[in-house]
Amino acid sequence: EVQLVESGGGLVQPGGSLRLSCAASGFTFSNFVMHWVRQAPGKGLEYVSAIDSNEYTTYYANSVKGRFTISRDNSKNTLYLQMDSLRAEDMGVYYCARVLGGSGSDYWGQGTLVTVSS
Amino acid sequence: QPVLTQSSSASASLGSSVKLTCTLSSGHSSFIIAWHQQQPGEAPRYLMKLEGSGSYNKGSGVPDRFSGSSSGADRYLTISNLQSEDEADYYCETWDSNTRVFGGGTKLTVL
Repeated sequence: EVQLVESGGGLVQPGGSLRLSCAASGFTFSNFVMHWVRQAPGKGLEYVSAIDSNEYTTYYANSVKGRFTISRDNSKNTLYLQMDSLRAEDMGVYYCARVLGGSGSDYWGQGTLVTVSS
Repeated sequence: QPVLTQSSSASASLGSSVKLTCTLSSGHSSFIIAWHQQQPGEAPRYLMKLEGSGSYNKGSGVPDRFSGSSSGADRYLTISNLQSEDEADYYCETWDSNTRVFGGGTKLTVL
């Protein structure tokens, strides 16, 4: 059974940092592109960042470019999102998702809540 | 990059059918999309991949009541025999080589 379990969310002050993790199981993690999607309270889904299976090629939404860093450790089956210089508009639930090539995000984690407030 | 447009809300009666629409922006009418369902307080769930030809492949465990179709730049999700648990937000997703995009979502109310 495919499972994605996010952790690392919490309350942080504006300008602060958080590191999110997504532990994957039930599939060969190193074969799949992975990405992060967020959802502000009461709003829709917003793509944040993606990383290729090779651990090196990364993509970012313009809204987070230069502040967030996506990475993965295929030996630990874990996806990460380092979030720096956090702003109020970064607040929301962050989901990790697996990308099935040509088919979209076929599995999602349960999400982790990030609150940015002083 | 592609843009996806969805109506903000839809409603239909219990036991009836509803057809939700996701429209691709100009120049992207051939793109494949995915449909996702998000029930209240839950994570999104993958429903299906839908091609411009109308061919679709559903995710694991998705009921037969859910089907997809296409016409030009429009991608449709049809839910038949509506159940109360179908009341949810529905999002479409597409992608290109550098990014992925979600539609704004349609909130479906089952009357």
